Amino acid sequence: TQLLEQSPQFLSIQEGENLTVYCNSSSVFSSLQWYRQEPGEGPVLLVTVVTGGEVKKLKRLTFQFGDARKDSSLHITAAQPGDTGLYLCAGAGSGGYQKVTFGTGTKLQVIP
Amino acid sequence: DAGVIQSPRHEVTEMGQEVTLRCKPISGHNSLFWYRQTMMRGLELLIYFNNNVPIDDSGMPEDRFSAKMPNASFSTLKIQPSEPRDSAVYFCASSLWGQGNTEAFFGQGTRLTVV
Repeated sequence: TQLLEQSPQFLSIQEGENLTVYCNSSSVFSSLQWYRQEPGEGPVLLVTVVTGGEVKKLKRLTFQFGDARKDSSLHITAAQPGDTGLYLCAGAGSGGYQKVTFGTGTKLQVIP
Repeated sequence: DAGVIQSPRHEVTEMGQEVTLRCKPISGHNSLFWYRQTMMRGLELLIYFNNNVPIDDSGMPEDRFSAKMPNASFSTLKIQPSEPRDSAVYFCASSLWGQGNTEAFFGQGTRLTVV
């Protein structure tokens, strides 16, 4: 079983602060995704990273895939209340089908 | 497209009763997933279908759980008999697998409470 541990589990910060969420595993993934989930909704894909060392930017969000494709980070600059939600990383294995394993999740609250 | 549609949104049932959750995937998608989300265990994959065929059901907790996909536009997840520990939010997701694409589109989920 491929396990993905996220840290921190909970994060409460003031509007305007920066933060980083980590996603770690002992397994190698062919790709890694980050999703955001709001209360009462399903997760929504933010980004997919495929290449070891890859960095992708989505406005104030920066995503990085580790060189060994075992870990990833999400950095948010100048957090806003609209960033509040549950952030989930998800790793896709290299098997014959796209089995995606979700991380344990990081609950972010941005206080105005 | 309306996205992945799940029904019902909420279900409250008594222990021992049969529960059926329904999902309509996005038209044209060839993969369908059933997930269960709880505070304790996070988001767990229960079963995965590709082209209506169950590929991996290793996440199905026990024989009380069963899933079917009779055609490309409909799937069900059944729990019989239900138990209080089955209380969770159940998500259905679909994707168009191929050429390295792994993006899954989730429905809004069914919140199941077994009392």
